[in-house]
Amino acid sequence: DVKVTQSSRYLVKRTGEKVFLECVQDMDHENMFWYRQDPGLGLRLIYFSYDVKMKEKGDIPEGYSVSREKKERFSLILESASTNQTSMYLCASSLPGTVNTEAFFGQGTRLTVV
Amino acid sequence: AQKVTQAQTEISVVEKEDVTLDCVYETRDTTYYLFWYKQPPSGELVFLIRRNSFDEQNEISGRYSWNFQKSTSSFNFTITASQVVDSAVYFCALTTSNTGNQFYFGTGTSLTVIP
Repeated sequence: DVKVTQSSRYLVKRTGEKVFLECVQDMDHENMFWYRQDPGLGLRLIYFSYDVKMKEKGDIPEGYSVSREKKERFSLILESASTNQTSMYLCASSLPGTVNTEAFFGQGTRLTVV
Repeated sequence: AQKVTQAQTEISVVEKEDVTLDCVYETRDTTYYLFWYKQPPSGELVFLIRRNSFDEQNEISGRYSWNFQKSTSSFNFTITASQVVDSAVYFCALTTSNTGNQFYFGTGTSLTVIP
């Protein structure tokens, strides 16, 4: 069974902390994504990566960075957490190069910044 | 630019009623794919269906059916004889040949099925 695993379901962090959200996939997918989900706004793309050490900014990259040192792992980093980054974060992966592939999602990490 | 609009924010139906979730998309690309995902309360998005821009055939899978109409840029999703387990947030999404594997999501429709 294919799987995308996010390291935490729930996180509570303090303002100003550096926060790491980890995502691992076991499907050998080249593409990996980080989305943020907020009520009424749907899923918004933060960053995506189409290969190891490659990354592209999505629609809302400000305040975030990413790391992809290994194919199976894609990390989202909040350099200095702020309360407006309280949200649900979803990681996904997909096959490369073709348009007809669905994305597979992790279970989500609900982050609260206090 | 690519865009997906789900105008229905929340829908409530009584069990066994039929319900249709609307999805309207915008793209200038001629090759594109449309998707529907279900997000139950557990949080994980579950893939339901994929449809490419060259295939306008409707699809039926059990109680689920999808109606793709290029003329109106719509890809609507109907649940027949709804059940409580259908309660979830449903997302429509789009990828195109010119945007690689970026997925453009609608804002979602929250469906509540009342027993």
